[in-house]
Amino acid sequence: AQSVTQLDSQVPVFEEAPVELRCNYSSSVSVYLFWYVQYPNQGLQLLLKYLSGSTLVESINGFEAEFNKSQTSFHLRKPSVHISDTAEYFCAVTYYQAGTALIFGKGTTLSVSS
Amino acid sequence: EAGVAQSPRYKIIEKRQSVAFWCNPISGHATLYWYQQILGQGPKLLIQFQNNGVVDDSQLPKDRFSAERLKGVDSTLKIQPAKLEDSAVYLCASSFENTEAFFGQGTRLTVV
Repeated sequence: AQSVTQLDSQVPVFEEAPVELRCNYSSSVSVYLFWYVQYPNQGLQLLLKYLSGSTLVESINGFEAEFNKSQTSFHLRKPSVHISDTAEYFCAVTYYQAGTALIFGKGTTLSVSS
Repeated sequence: EAGVAQSPRYKIIEKRQSVAFWCNPISGHATLYWYQQILGQGPKLLIQFQNNGVVDDSQLPKDRFSAERLKGVDSTLKIQPAKLEDSAVYLCASSFENTEAFFGQGTRLTVV
């Protein structure tokens, strides 16, 4: 069965520092990969996704993630974080072309302080 | 484009009572999902619909939870009777071709 492991439950960082949120998935078949962000009392918003093509994907607000098939990882990075990036981040995976629902990791709380 | 609409936003009920949540997906999205998100955890799939048919309900506690999507558009999730452990945020999501799911703001259920 597919599963997603987010290796860090909480990541505290200072503003303007770089950050990496780690995500590993278990499936051995082709997958779609996603990062979602959740602000307090809000639903989930898509941050970025990997479907095919370039293994490096970027979001409009400076986050990027790299699909690494050999290591079954999809780590999220940002070179310089802002206070407004404080939120819960979820990694998710779904089977390629199988129409299955997203399977989520347990989430990583990113706390950015000044 | 309107997003996924859910109501109510908040609900407080006593254990053993019943409750229902409503979801209206994005127009044209054939796939609809209900997820349960317990505090401090990631969302867990309860049920997935493709149009008005059930694709996956393997994690739905069928002795107390039910869901329907009669006309292939909006959907209702019901809990009867509720237990304390059902306290969670219930998220509805929809997708067009299973490449990306769009989420509503969720319904926060508190069972006391």
